[in-house]
Amino acid sequence: DIQMTQSPASLSASIGDRVIITCQASQDIKFYLNWYQQKPGKAPTLLIYDASKLEAGVPSTFSGSGSGTHFTLTIASLRPEDIATYYCQQYENLFTFGQGTTLDLK
Amino acid sequence: QLKLVESGGGVVQPGTSLRLSCAASGFSFGSFGIHWIRQAPGKGLEWVAVISDDGKIQYYADFVKGRFTLSRDNSKNTVHLQLASLRGDDTALYFCAKSRGYSYGSVFDHWGQGTLVIVSS
Repeated sequence: DIQMTQSPASLSASIGDRVIITCQASQDIKFYLNWYQQKPGKAPTLLIYDASKLEAGVPSTFSGSGSGTHFTLTIASLRPEDIATYYCQQYENLFTFGQGTTLDLK
Repeated sequence: QLKLVESGGGVVQPGTSLRLSCAASGFSFGSFGIHWIRQAPGKGLEWVAVISDDGKIQYYADFVKGRFTLSRDNSKNTVHLQLASLRGDDTALYFCAKSRGYSYGSVFDHWGQGTLVIVSS
């Protein structure tokens, strides 16, 4: 099984900050990685697919990068509506989510 | 407008069964795989199972161990997840999600709001 490890588990940041969340795979998953955002009481929504492709309608302040075992989700300038929990998900071998990174306001 | 609506959740005793449904609308249902993902209270997302666009392929997470069964009826735009031998650690909000990509897909691009399953004596 492929394990996905996100860091940090939680993060406090200020409006306008650049935020970086990392996701490490236990083995090479090429670029087979997606990122999701989940707000409290809501279903997750897709942000980034295939490691770096921005989903339609997602603000360009979000970006993804990486390949192999190391991946990052970057928010270029934090906005209040970005406060949420973020999950990575691999699809190289079935499907596995990271444990999530909770982002809140400092 | 694309929509996924889960139903069938409830409070059940350990060892019993439950059938969850995912009703879809607003897209060509028979062209896309459907996944189930669950979230225990206060916890993260956990992938459960997938059924391919034509229903011929199903994959399950290891923890399912033969207890869950997926089926779909493309004439009714519905997927069913039959849960059996339920345990306390199956307590979760169960989401269905449409996937993008060939056969069973790999990107969960639309999600329902979930149906809550509570397993308790």
